[in-house]
Amino acid sequence: AQKVTQAQTEISVVEKEDVTLDCVYETRDTTYYLFWYKQPPSGELVFLIRRNSFDEQNEISGRYSWNFQKSTSSFNFTITASQVVDSAVYFCALGGSEKLVFGKGTKLTVNP
Amino acid sequence: EAGVAQSPRYKIIEKRQSVAFWCNPISGHATLYWYQQILGQGPKLLIQFQNNGVVDDSQLPKDRFSAERLKGVDSTLKIQPAKLEDSAVYLCASSSRAEREKLFFGSGTQLSVL
Repeated sequence: AQKVTQAQTEISVVEKEDVTLDCVYETRDTTYYLFWYKQPPSGELVFLIRRNSFDEQNEISGRYSWNFQKSTSSFNFTITASQVVDSAVYFCALGGSEKLVFGKGTKLTVNP
Repeated sequence: EAGVAQSPRYKIIEKRQSVAFWCNPISGHATLYWYQQILGQGPKLLIQFQNNGVVDDSQLPKDRFSAERLKGVDSTLKIQPAKLEDSAVYLCASSSRAEREKLFFGSGTQLSVL
């Protein structure tokens, strides 16, 4: 069975700090997809990134970057120079031959 | 482009009552999903439709939950009768044939069962 673990339940930082959200996954599939979604207080899950299992290149998008390491089954998400608007719950998810499975989420609070 | 529309936004009912949620996916998206998100948890898939056919309903409590997607567009999710443990946010999502793994979510319906 597929499983996603987000060990950090809540993180609180001060604006402009860098923060990394951890995600560890388990799957027996050789081809799979990893995702990060953001859930602001409005409730809507917003797609941030999808990564295929055969593409281990790290990705940077503005202040966001993702570090995919197959060797450790991790797909960590870093926000550089955090802003108050980054405050949200962030979910890591795993998809493959089975249904999309979400972690329990990490609640990030960025204080001014 | 319009996103996934859901209604109502909030619903409060008493246990044993019935309730229905509505979802209109992004135009042209063939796949529609209903997720249940209990407070403090990640979303859990209840049912997945491909057009108007059910692809996966293995985690749907079929004794009380039902869903349909007539004509392969809008969908409704019904709970009858509701239990206290059904209190959650019910999220609808859709995806296209070209990018089935990329889900677009609605804002959800927050259900409170008293």
